[in-house]
Amino acid sequence: EDKVVQSPLSLVVHEGDTVTLNCSYEVTNFRSLLWYKQEKKAPTFLFMLTSSGIEKKSGRLSSILDKKELFSILNITATQTGDSAVYLCAVAGTSGSRLTFGEGTQLTVNP
Amino acid sequence: DSGVTQTPKHLITATGQRVTLRCSPRSGDLSVYWYQQSLDQGLQFLIQYYNGEERAKGNILERFSAQQFPDLHSELNLSSLELGDSALYFCASSVALAGELFFGEGSRLTVL
Repeated sequence: EDKVVQSPLSLVVHEGDTVTLNCSYEVTNFRSLLWYKQEKKAPTFLFMLTSSGIEKKSGRLSSILDKKELFSILNITATQTGDSAVYLCAVAGTSGSRLTFGEGTQLTVNP
Repeated sequence: DSGVTQTPKHLITATGQRVTLRCSPRSGDLSVYWYQQSLDQGLQFLIQYYNGEERAKGNILERFSAQQFPDLHSELNLSSLELGDSALYFCASSVALAGELFFGEGSRLTVL
């Protein structure tokens, strides 16, 4: 059974701090790893990673995948209060098209 | 706005009842997924349909069933409801069998 473990489960920082969120996984025939941000309601897509060692960036957010060690990190630099959310990591294997999600990291950014 | 529409947004019902949640995927998306999110749990995969056919099944209870219609909208039927079924039910869609999922706003079910 596919499994995703995220750490830490919660994190409280001050505006301007840099944070690193971790995601480790076990999946049959890995195909992709995805990061989502969930505020009040629907998760919104951030990144999809398929290749090891290639960093994806979007503004202050970046993510990288290590397929050998089976983990990914999501970095957020110069955090803002609007970054407060639950960040979800999910994996997809070629044995099925569904995504298996981790429990998420609750990030709180205080002014 | 992801383009995925779910109704109703909120639903309050009693134990033993039956409800139907509806989902319209993004235009052009053939694959529909249903997920359950409880307070103390992450997103749990229930079931996936692709172009009208069941494609994958997760830990979906026998009291729950779903279908995808020819116009690609999907319904999730929950019957003999129990208190523990209270949760946020998300529908998501994708173009093909794999890749990025786009989530609807969810249907919050409260069973009293």
